Amino acid sequence: EPEVTQTPSHQVTQMGQEVILRCVPISNHLYFYWYRQILGQKVEFLVSFYNNEISEKSEIFDDQFSVERPDGSNFTLKIRSTKLEDSAMYFCASSAPLGLAGGPVTGELFFGEGSRLTVL
Amino acid sequence: AQKITQTQPGMFVQEKEAVTLDCTYDTSDQSYGLFWYKQPSSGEMIFLIYQGSYDEQNATEGRYSLNFQKARKSANLVISASQLGDSAMYFCAMREGPAAGNKLTFGGGTRVLVKP
Repeated sequence: EPEVTQTPSHQVTQMGQEVILRCVPISNHLYFYWYRQILGQKVEFLVSFYNNEISEKSEIFDDQFSVERPDGSNFTLKIRSTKLEDSAMYFCASSAPLGLAGGPVTGELFFGEGSRLTVL
Repeated sequence: AQKITQTQPGMFVQEKEAVTLDCTYDTSDQSYGLFWYKQPSSGEMIFLIYQGSYDEQNATEGRYSLNFQKARKSANLVISASQLGDSAMYFCAMREGPAAGNKLTFGGGTRVLVKP
């Protein structure tokens, strides 16, 4: 069964360092997302991406964050200068367009297993 | 105002019994979708069940059913015959607007612990 894959599974970094989290969405999906979950808390939307541009972003997604789809398969989240409060689990997700043969028409998001970021 | 509210932070349930997890939502859209995801201790997000705003019947998926009360704006998840493996965090989520490409907004979650 196709799945969303994320790397690394866990990254430890020093405050102020740049971090890139990588995701490979499901191959025929067109919509991509990043979510964040601070330990024990709710899953928060960061950004959605479609057709090589950001379609929506939350107030959390400030200038220190950026996303990119550098090639046909990867989708990355860059945090430019990490802060202690960036420590969280970061989830990548993708969803299929309507009418995709055999695919759901629910708008269901398929999540990766997450990348845990620890900022020291 | 919260878009998705889950009022039960945690629940205990006896193995083999049923449990209902509450979820209320707030939207002015006519077209929306409601989802439940399970997050076990390993951390991944597992899709359980979906209900569309125009669906007249309550959704069911195996032991999971969604009690959709549109007028009350509630979408409670019922897990029947609980198993030890059902112990996890459960999140209710909503998609506003048509299906293609819209984000999901999540509630705060309910932690379920199944007792043997």
